[in-house]
Amino acid sequence: QVQLQETGPGLVKPSETLSLTCTVSGGSISNNIYYWGWIRRPPGKGLEWIGSIYYTGSTYYNLSLRSRVTIFVDTSNNQFSLTVNSVTAADMAVYYCARVTVTNRSFDFWGRGTLVTVSS
Amino acid sequence: QSALTQPPSASGSPGQSVTVSCTGTSSDIGHYNYVSWYQQHPGKAPKLMIYEVTKRPSGVPDRFSGSKSGSTASLTVSGLQFEDEADYYCTSYIGNQNYVFGSGTQVTVL
Repeated sequence: QVQLQETGPGLVKPSETLSLTCTVSGGSISNNIYYWGWIRRPPGKGLEWIGSIYYTGSTYYNLSLRSRVTIFVDTSNNQFSLTVNSVTAADMAVYYCARVTVTNRSFDFWGRGTLVTVSS
Repeated sequence: QSALTQPPSASGSPGQSVTVSCTGTSSDIGHYNYVSWYQQHPGKAPKLMIYEVTKRPSGVPDRFSGSKSGSTASLTVSGLQFEDEADYYCTSYIGNQNYVFGSGTQVTVL
């Protein structure tokens, strides 16, 4: 069964860049029936889709975050990564990576999530 | 794209049913049959409960069911159990590999 795990710094200073990596195990990130996504949940708020990537490198971003977000894939290491530039307190959240099935467009497997705090 | 609208809370007694609504627009729920529902317990990752409006993944109890009418989707949990107490989120595909989530509903088992 596929597993996903998020890794990265838990503390980022305001105006700096948040960087997270999701490592996929138990399946190939290059499988052509899946996309790979990032979702976040700010404290006390709901889930927000950040963006998704296909193994070819094609990316899709939430319009509200598009100017600050980059997602890229490393197929050789079965990983995909997220960067968010110029972070503010509003970017503090638990960040999740997830697998998206092309055929039914659902997020069927999720990582456990990692809390990113924005503070000086 | 604004978040889909869900009631902040819903509740029911053990054995009863509870229904959570998810209201969108003609551009999301009203246009695509790609509505899914997720259950999230505190400190845990979300879990897929319903996909393509009505389908259950393997292992999800048949107490969970989904439906859609127009631009509103619904999740019904029948025969409520204490373990069903969690946050529930809907999401809809909105085209070009983009998605929008609902605002979330906290379900309490009284």
